[in-house]
Amino acid sequence: QQQVKQSPQSLIVQKGGISIINCAYENTAFDYFPWYQQFPGKGPALLIAIRPDVSEKKEGRFTISFNKSAKQFSLHIMDSQPGDSATYFCAGQWGGGADGLTFGKGTHLIIQP
Amino acid sequence: DTGVSQDPRHKITKRGQNVTFRCDPISEHNRLYWYRQTLGQGPEFLTYFQNEAQLEKSRLLSDRFSAERPKGSFSTLEIQRTEQGDSAMYLCASSLGALGQFFGPGTRLTVL
Repeated sequence: QQQVKQSPQSLIVQKGGISIINCAYENTAFDYFPWYQQFPGKGPALLIAIRPDVSEKKEGRFTISFNKSAKQFSLHIMDSQPGDSATYFCAGQWGGGADGLTFGKGTHLIIQP
Repeated sequence: DTGVSQDPRHKITKRGQNVTFRCDPISEHNRLYWYRQTLGQGPEFLTYFQNEAQLEKSRLLSDRFSAERPKGSFSTLEIQRTEQGDSAMYLCASSLGALGQFFGPGTRLTVL
């Protein structure tokens, strides 16, 4: 059972555009939702995270929008740059942390110059 | 370097051999996690330590896998009698408290 569904699988955006990646979760016990960025051959790097008591969180060019009733959340990358080209993973976790993160399958993002 | 470190970065072994990986978490992080990542997939949780206690194991962690964190600092993951299906990236992450896991660079395992 895939508990976090991520879309699209791949995404091509022009430089300066907005990149949008969506995730839906099934486990209502999740109460922490991070996004990770991964470059080839590297480990995932924590980008931004949100708790369900807020509907939006912004850090620089990265924004998470969260819809608790729909069990959906999304990552928006504003003014996308070629250096943002990477694979992005959303994840969910129970706040107690004992079960680890449940990741989506990832989105391969390409920013065209 | 104050990040999570893993050793070795790459390991090639023959089927049936045993392998051991090491993870050094961020200093003073009390929680340590192991994940496995195959090509084109997100990381999958394997096991979790709080200090030296192993508190959770995924059903993905078969009897051939064992993990330790003897002094609550570094951790080792051993795979016995490796199989070709074990080929993957093995990732370690650490956190201070329940939230905010920071990952290491991973160990790429290839089983021939």
